[in-house]
Amino acid sequence: DTEVTQTPKHLVMGMTNKKSLKCEQHMGHRAMYWYKQKAKKPPELMFVYSYEKLSINESVPSRFSPECPNSSLLNLHLHALQPEDSALYLCASSQSGGLAGYSETQYFGPGTRLLVL
Amino acid sequence: AQSVTQLGSHVSVSEGALVLLRCNYSSSVPPYLFWYVQYPNQGLQLLLKYTSAATLVKGINGFEAEFKKSETSFHLTKPSAHMSDAAEYFCAVSVPLGSNYQLIWGAGTKLIIKP
Repeated sequence: DTEVTQTPKHLVMGMTNKKSLKCEQHMGHRAMYWYKQKAKKPPELMFVYSYEKLSINESVPSRFSPECPNSSLLNLHLHALQPEDSALYLCASSQSGGLAGYSETQYFGPGTRLLVL
Repeated sequence: AQSVTQLGSHVSVSEGALVLLRCNYSSSVPPYLFWYVQYPNQGLQLLLKYTSAATLVKGINGFEAEFKKSETSFHLTKPSAHMSDAAEYFCAVSVPLGSNYQLIWGAGTKLIIKP
């Protein structure tokens, strides 16, 4: 099973709302990633978790708050977002990340399409 | 600094024709290179990757890519295009980031298949 699942598929939220995105994988992977993708652009890395510890935060605003409750689950908590945060949010996982991540394949979920009004 | 350049934001070919998507990289270390495909409203799927085992890499769906160090290229080809190949294609290189690695992405090439 090489599937990464993401819920919800679509999300519309106001600038004062709090919502969460969920990502799950059952491949035994120990590295998980959040990306943001604007239309017609490549993905931009936001966060990396390796062995449930946050190892990379690419200067993402604090209105985005990641959480990794266990090795299979990754959440992204959203609060007080801006309209420019509207995008496709992609989750990915790879076997172990860290120094072994050089040649690892990242497996992507289908994404959550977020619209902030 | 490592970077990836994809020549042509759009490539249009007829069904049955050769597909050639270009990717050039710059890297100060031996590169690990990837091609991903993204179908409309979907996530990204790995087509193939180069990890120094062989310069000609075969991937899924009939795609292959050849690593040419002298040209710093990793172009993606498919002998005969199919309508189902219409998608966005991204080339990426793996680079160090702290104690991890991240993918540096090209801007993407949209492949259009004409009937």
